[in-house]
Amino acid sequence: AQRVTQPEKLLSVFKGAPVELKCNYSYSGSPELFWYVQYSRQRLQLLLRHISRESIKGFTADLNKGETSFHLKKPFAQEEDSAMYYCALSRTGNQFYFGTGTSLTVIP
Amino acid sequence: EAGVAQSPRYKIIEKRQSVAFWCNPISGHATLYWYQQILGQGPKLLIQFQNNGVVDDSQLPKDRFSAERLKGVDSTLKIQPAKLEDSAVYLCASSPLNRDRGHSYEQYFGPGTRLTVT
Repeated sequence: AQRVTQPEKLLSVFKGAPVELKCNYSYSGSPELFWYVQYSRQRLQLLLRHISRESIKGFTADLNKGETSFHLKKPFAQEEDSAMYYCALSRTGNQFYFGTGTSLTVIP
Repeated sequence: EAGVAQSPRYKIIEKRQSVAFWCNPISGHATLYWYQQILGQGPKLLIQFQNNGVVDDSQLPKDRFSAERLKGVDSTLKIQPAKLEDSAVYLCASSPLNRDRGHSYEQYFGPGTRLTVT
């Protein structure tokens, strides 16, 4: 069965500190992994996907198939990064699975 | 461009009643998704359409939930009869296609409909 695990429901870091949001998955094939973000009073939106290997708003995420992880990282957290972050997995463009989310608070 | 529209934004009903939600995707988007998000959990995919055909409805409780996308544009999700555990936010999302050239397209989400079943 496909599953996405985000072990931290809440995460607080100080402004300027590094931040890492953990995501582990279980899937017996080649998944597509995504990070979605929801800022306060805004809609859920795509932050980044593993296939594009890009950095968005300073965030990066590397797919580690050996550890089945797709952790989201940023070297210096900003206050505007405070939001709810969801890791998601897709199987061949169908059957999307979302994790339970991590609420990130960046303390000024 | 206009985003994904959903209505109503809020709905309160009693258990055993029926309710329907409406979604209008971004113009030209072939794929439409309905998700259920229970408080404290991530979105759970209920059904995925490509144009007016169902691609995946494996997690849709078909004994009480139904969805349609006539003409391949807007869509309705219905619950009949509702149970207390159906209280959740129902999210609609759309994308140009679900997949092309080996990768999935970005999903654009609507604001959601918050359903409370009492």
